[in-house]
Amino acid sequence: GNSVTQMEGPVTLSEEAFLTINCTYTATGYPSLFWYVQYPGEGLQLLLKATKADDKGSNKGFEATYRKETTSFHLEKGSVQVSDSAVYFCALSSAGNNRKLIWGLGTSLAVNP
Amino acid sequence: DSGVTQTPKHLITATGQRVTLRCSPRSGDLSVYWYQQSLDQGLQFLIQYYNGEERAKGNILERFSAQQFPDLHSELNLSSLELGDSALYFCASSVSGLGLNTGELFFGEGSRLTVL
Repeated sequence: GNSVTQMEGPVTLSEEAFLTINCTYTATGYPSLFWYVQYPGEGLQLLLKATKADDKGSNKGFEATYRKETTSFHLEKGSVQVSDSAVYFCALSSAGNNRKLIWGLGTSLAVNP
Repeated sequence: DSGVTQTPKHLITATGQRVTLRCSPRSGDLSVYWYQQSLDQGLQFLIQYYNGEERAKGNILERFSAQQFPDLHSELNLSSLELGDSALYFCASSVSGLGLNTGELFFGEGSRLTVL
């Protein structure tokens, strides 16, 4: 069945460091891929998405490219800030009539000043 | 502010009790989703309603039930509570039932349930 695997956290970085959070997926057909972010004490919110192969989603300095050949959707940011400290969730929307979101376990990021 | 409202924000109760969590979706959203988030299980999908009808079921226990009312608000009922039910319960809403393949859900801030 469909699944999403994220790198385990927690990830701890210094401000202005480069961030990569790995996400790989298993799916039939052509799913859409998403990154959601959960800031402390808040609900999840959509960070970026990509709906077809080679699409690049971007928002707030974060980017992720839908790579069908490697079944990956890694999240990257060139220079993290303390305010990026949050939990990041990778998810896919399964194709077909019975679409639903399949979630990764989340990766906690802490950015130190 | 996502536009999704959940009440109560915090709830403390005892084992064996029953609680009801309430969710008001964003204006115009027809789908409501319930999720459970705990430290050991991550984010678990419980159930989805679309325009009053159950659309999809996830890992929802038989002790739990939900419904969506004509005004589109939803309630999640948790009964015979156990210690392991302590978690953050999120409600999310979307315009459709993902039929447009957007996959974008709007989450509330959650209801934190503590079972003692």
